Amino acid sequence: AQTVTQSQPEMSVQEAETVTLSCTYDTSESDYYLFWYKQPPSRQMILVIRQEAYKQQNATENRFSVNFQKAAKSFSLKISDSQLGDAAMYFCALKSAGTASKLTFGTGTRLQVTL
Amino acid sequence: KAGVTQTPRYLIKTRGQQVTLSCSPISGHRSVSWYQQTPGQGLQFLFEYFSETQRNKGNFPGRFSGRQFSNSRSEMNVSTLELGDSALYLCASSSLSTSYQETQYFGPGTRLLVL
Repeated sequence: AQTVTQSQPEMSVQEAETVTLSCTYDTSESDYYLFWYKQPPSRQMILVIRQEAYKQQNATENRFSVNFQKAAKSFSLKISDSQLGDAAMYFCALKSAGTASKLTFGTGTRLQVTL
Repeated sequence: KAGVTQTPRYLIKTRGQQVTLSCSPISGHRSVSWYQQTPGQGLQFLFEYFSETQRNKGNFPGRFSGRQFSNSRSEMNVSTLELGDSALYLCASSSLSTSYQETQYFGPGTRLLVL
């Protein structure tokens, strides 16, 4: 079985500052993908960024980047220059070759952005 | 391209009734997955359909079923509703295959309340 753990139920960041959300995972598979999804109050789940496990280079998407530590099974999300629109629930998720289409999600981190 | 659409967006039912939720994937996507989101259990995978066949199934009772049509639209059905079935039901689609490498894109969800 694979698991995803997000140990920070809530985080807060000031506008324009940087924040890092933590995620650890466990899987026996060697081929897998990791994702960060954002769920704003509208409840629409939006893909933020994804990382292929076989790639050593950390993925980046504009202000969003990850720190992927494969040996430590850690996958944190860094949000730079935080904006009010970044306020949302953030879910870390894992999909592996053994589970095909099934995404395993963490419990989420609620991010507040303050002025 | 239009995103994933789900109907209805909100639904109120009483215990013992049955309900059918609908999901239309992104044009060209042939894989549709369903997830249940509750405050207590978080996001849980229900099942996944590809080319009208169920390819993957989560750990839910037989009251939860689904199907997929030739145009890739999918429906899920919950029979004999229980209070615990109150949840946000999310549908996600991905392109071409059930591969774990495919990113899933989510719809806005259907919020089901069972009274």
